[in-house]
Amino acid sequence: EAGVAQSPRYKIIEKRQSVAFWCNPISGHATLYWYQQILGQGPKLLIQFQNNGVVDDSQLPKDRFSAERLKGVDSTLKIQPAKLEDSAVYLCASTPPKNTGELFFGEGSRLTVL
Amino acid sequence: AQSVSQHNHHVILSEAASLELGCNYSYGGTVNLFWYVQYPGQHLQLLLKYFSGDPLVKGIKGFEAEFIKSKFSFNLRKPSVQWSDTAEYFCAVSFSGGYNKLIFGAGTRLAVHP
Repeated sequence: EAGVAQSPRYKIIEKRQSVAFWCNPISGHATLYWYQQILGQGPKLLIQFQNNGVVDDSQLPKDRFSAERLKGVDSTLKIQPAKLEDSAVYLCASTPPKNTGELFFGEGSRLTVL
Repeated sequence: AQSVSQHNHHVILSEAASLELGCNYSYGGTVNLFWYVQYPGQHLQLLLKYFSGDPLVKGIKGFEAEFIKSKFSFNLRKPSVQWSDTAEYFCAVSFSGGYNKLIFGAGTRLAVHP
């Protein structure tokens, strides 16, 4: 079974530039999550989708971050404009319809903002 | 707000030593509890989980964890570590009514020396 796919794996940009990350969850997984993991901290939930609807985006900095999951499959997370403090690993995870509570994570996209 | 605390940020052990990693959470209601592991260069993966029933749960690779409700704790243990257990370990909690939103601790980086 293919895992959660994310791209790009690494991205370096200057502050005030924009960046987009892509995630393709495991086939059939209805719920998709974007987490932000800053160095030395645990992952923090940014947004959770159930199919193509947003369940929780309470911790998403909406002035600069946006995310969509058109057609309820893959998802894109965008940052515009980026700040230095956005340097982090952005993790995508998914769970199947019969949710066992286990999240399946991708390898992450590491963003460095200079 | 709900939170998860991991007591040790870095742990260094010799092979065959015993391991115990502390995890405490702040929430008085029903919780689901998880330990995730991230091996060097790999994605986060589930080590073990507790939903209900026997508070002593066993996971992969000889790990176990004990849920002590009165102490709001879910400590991870292994009687004898191996070099291959070198990884970062994250405790995570989801709360009733939280749509399976996982809140992670800051992680414990374990280094096992041969």
